[in-house]
Amino acid sequence: KQEVTQIPAALSVPEGENLVLNCSFTDSAIYNLQWFRQDPGKGLTSLLLIQSSQREQTSGRLNASLDKSSGRSTLYIAASQPGDSATYLCAVLNSGYSTLTFGKGTMLLVSP
Amino acid sequence: DVKVTQSSRYLVKRTGEKVFLECVQDMDHENMFWYRQDPGLGLRLIYFSYDVKMKEKGDIPEGYSVSREKKERFSLILESASTNQTSMYLCASSSPPAEEKLFFGSGTQLSVL
Repeated sequence: KQEVTQIPAALSVPEGENLVLNCSFTDSAIYNLQWFRQDPGKGLTSLLLIQSSQREQTSGRLNASLDKSSGRSTLYIAASQPGDSATYLCAVLNSGYSTLTFGKGTMLLVSP
Repeated sequence: DVKVTQSSRYLVKRTGEKVFLECVQDMDHENMFWYRQDPGLGLRLIYFSYDVKMKEKGDIPEGYSVSREKKERFSLILESASTNQTSMYLCASSSPPAEEKLFFGSGTQLSVL
């Protein structure tokens, strides 16, 4: 059974820092990996989707990488802002399955 | 933009009541999902559907049922609400293939007293 782990569970940084969030998964046979953002008490918003054949995806200050063979993905946030404060979740779509397996998220706090 | 609308943001119900959570999407998506989210447990899939009148059990279907009579609407039913069903419920939709992005509603925080 696929398991997705996100480390750290919480992270606090000052504004302007570059930071990296980590996601690891146990079964490398995946179709894709998505990174989501969730604000307190709200639903999830998809930030980036990386197909299994891709190595990375970029959107603005966000860059997500995927190393399928080692079962790892990172979300890089450049020049962090207080508005980036949220919980970030990664999820993988497993080959042969049709639903996502989610990690428990990293709660990010960016202080002004 | 895709819009997934959940009928209630907050809901308070009594133990034993029958509870309906409604979800509507406006992008003609075939796939729809119901999750619950609890602190320390993350998101867990309750039920999903790939077509009208079609449903599949997720990881934790016990105590729940679903209905998909129309493509745009996916309802989650708690037949007899219990206190351990107090949770944040999230609906999501996507278009096939399953590899496409998942779009979520804003969630319903359900409290069962």
